[in-house]
Order: sequence, then C-alpha cells, then structure tokens
Amino acid sequence: AQKITQTQPGMFVQEKEAVTLDCTYDTSDQSYGLFWYKQPSSGEMIFLIYQGSYDEQNATEGRYSLNFQKARKSANLVISASQLGDSAMYFCAMRELAGWGTYKYIFGTGTRLKVLA
Amino acid sequence: EPEVTQTPSHQVTQMGQEVILRCVPISNHLYFYWYRQILGQKVEFLVSFYNNEISEKSEIFDDQFSVERPDGSNFTLKIRSTKLEDSAMYFCASSLSPSDEQFFGPGTRLTVL
Repeated sequence: AQKITQTQPGMFVQEKEAVTLDCTYDTSDQSYGLFWYKQPSSGEMIFLIYQGSYDEQNATEGRYSLNFQKARKSANLVISASQLGDSAMYFCAMRELAGWGTYKYIFGTGTRLKVLA
Repeated sequence: EPEVTQTPSHQVTQMGQEVILRCVPISNHLYFYWYRQILGQKVEFLVSFYNNEISEKSEIFDDQFSVERPDGSNFTLKIRSTKLEDSAMYFCASSLSPSDEQFFGPGTRLTVL
C-alpha cells in the first residue's frame, strides 16, 4: 500500500521568508502523481501543485515549487516570499490506482504553517 | 472559474437520523469522489464514482453509506443511520479524467449529536 509521511506537525516562518514543507512517500508503482493542497481555517481544500513521477522538471506554480527527489522519494513543497495569508494546513497527497481505472488520493497528516508578521 | 459546490455547509443531526449531503461537480467532469476528514485528522477516501457506478470504496464506506447521481448535475452522499463517529467534514471532488487533479468542494461539516 502506498503511504505519505509528513513529519512536521507545525512550522513557523517569518513573513517574506521561504519555507519548505516536507513530504516523503512510499510506493512500488513506477507511474504516480503527487499533489499539495492548502486547507485554510475555513476548511476548503485548495489545489496548489502537481508533480508526475516522469516529469523531469520540478513543478512550479507562482510562489509554490515542488522539490522532487525521486531517488529519495521526497516531494517537498517550497513556498517563497511567505505571506500572512499562507497560514494554513498543508497536505501532501499521492494518487493511488483504485477500481476501474480511477484513482483515489492518499493524504498525509498535514503540516500547519503559521506565518509571522 | 468553474468550481465544485456543496450544500449544506453545515449539517447538524441526531444520531440515527438519515442525512443527504449534496454536491454539484464541475459540469464537464465525469469522475466523482467523496472524502472525509474527522476533526484534526487527515483526509480519507470514501468512494469514487463513474458512469453511474461505484468504482472503488474504502472500508469506511459500509452499508450505511450510499452515493447517487440523481440527475445530470448533482452527486449525493447518503448516510442512512448516522452515528456519533460520522461527525466529520465531508468533501466532494471531481475530475475530468481519472489521472487529472481532483478539484475539491468547500466541504460539508456534519455534526451528529
């Protein structure tokens, strides 16, 4: 079974600084996808960034980038120039093959990020 | 920008009552999902649905749960006889294809008293 591990239950970062949120994964599949979602205190799940296992470049979306190290099975999220609005829970997820060609997401336990003014 | 919507945002019910949580997926999406997040815990997969059939369900999704696409736009999760431990945030998600990212709705917070 696939597994996602987020070892940092909470992180602090100073406004305008960069922060890295760790995520390691375990899978025997050759083809897989990794996702990061942001969950503000209001509760919704906001998709941030996606990395495919065959993507040669690290994914980037604005201030978000994914530091993908395939050999180490890590997919860390880097947020540059942190803003107060980045304070939220962040979940790393992996896509796992489900029935009839569909996929389900396996989530990590999350990292709560607090940006300090 | 198209988005997944869910109603109600918060539902309070008595133990043993039936609840129906409603979702309107993104209009051209074909794959639908329900996830659950007990307060303070990680998000867990419940069920995936395609072509009017359940594709996969987790062990959480027992006989008390059912899903339905009653018309061309809604996707519902029914809990027949709620238990205290069903209290959670329930997220609906949809995707255009199985491998595309799943877009999540804002969630329905279910409280069972």
